[in-house]
Amino acid sequence: KAGVTQTPRYLIKTRGQQVTLSCSPISGHRSVSWYQQTPGQGLQFLFEYFSETQRNKGNFPGRFSGRQFSNSRSEMNVSTLELGDSALYLCASSVTLAGETQYFGPGTRLLVL
Amino acid sequence: KNQVEQSPQSLIILEGKNCTLQCNYTVSPFSNLRWYKQDTGRGPVSLTIMTFSENTKSNGRYTATLDADTKQSSLHITASQLSDSASYICVVTFYMRFGAGTRLTVKP
Repeated sequence: KAGVTQTPRYLIKTRGQQVTLSCSPISGHRSVSWYQQTPGQGLQFLFEYFSETQRNKGNFPGRFSGRQFSNSRSEMNVSTLELGDSALYLCASSVTLAGETQYFGPGTRLLVL
Repeated sequence: KNQVEQSPQSLIILEGKNCTLQCNYTVSPFSNLRWYKQDTGRGPVSLTIMTFSENTKSNGRYTATLDADTKQSSLHITASQLSDSASYICVVTFYMRFGAGTRLTVKP
């Protein structure tokens, strides 16, 4: 069974631009969560989607948004990029919501210049 | 102050030795506590998940313990291997609070 895939793996943007990251969960998994990882703040939870609905949200500004499609694939969008948005963005999937083992993708490394 | 504190920040041990990593949390409510292993440049991998009522959970050479009364958890690694070199992250779910991780280096 293929693992969680994320595209692109690396991305360079400039301040003010917007970016869309994609995540394909493991087949049969309906929950997708997004996380931001930085050296200073560590791992932080962005949001979780299940059956196309956002079920949980972390403490991030409205510039960070996401969605999930009927095939469980998910996208995350960051608008008006700031230098501080440079990070590794990780996606994780699980069969259902909280309590299940999550499987992480390799991440998308975003650099904002 | 972080609601999930991990110690030590880093640890160096010799191959074959045992070690114990600590996680203290203040966050509540609590759904479950998870330990992840993250190799450099890769996504985290789940090691254990424990609910409020579970005291111990093992996964091969990894054994996690949980004391919900004192809000402490530990991850014990037995007979360490070079491949155990990684960051180990403690996560308390409900609000998804992450510890800063312990960086473990296993030397030959």
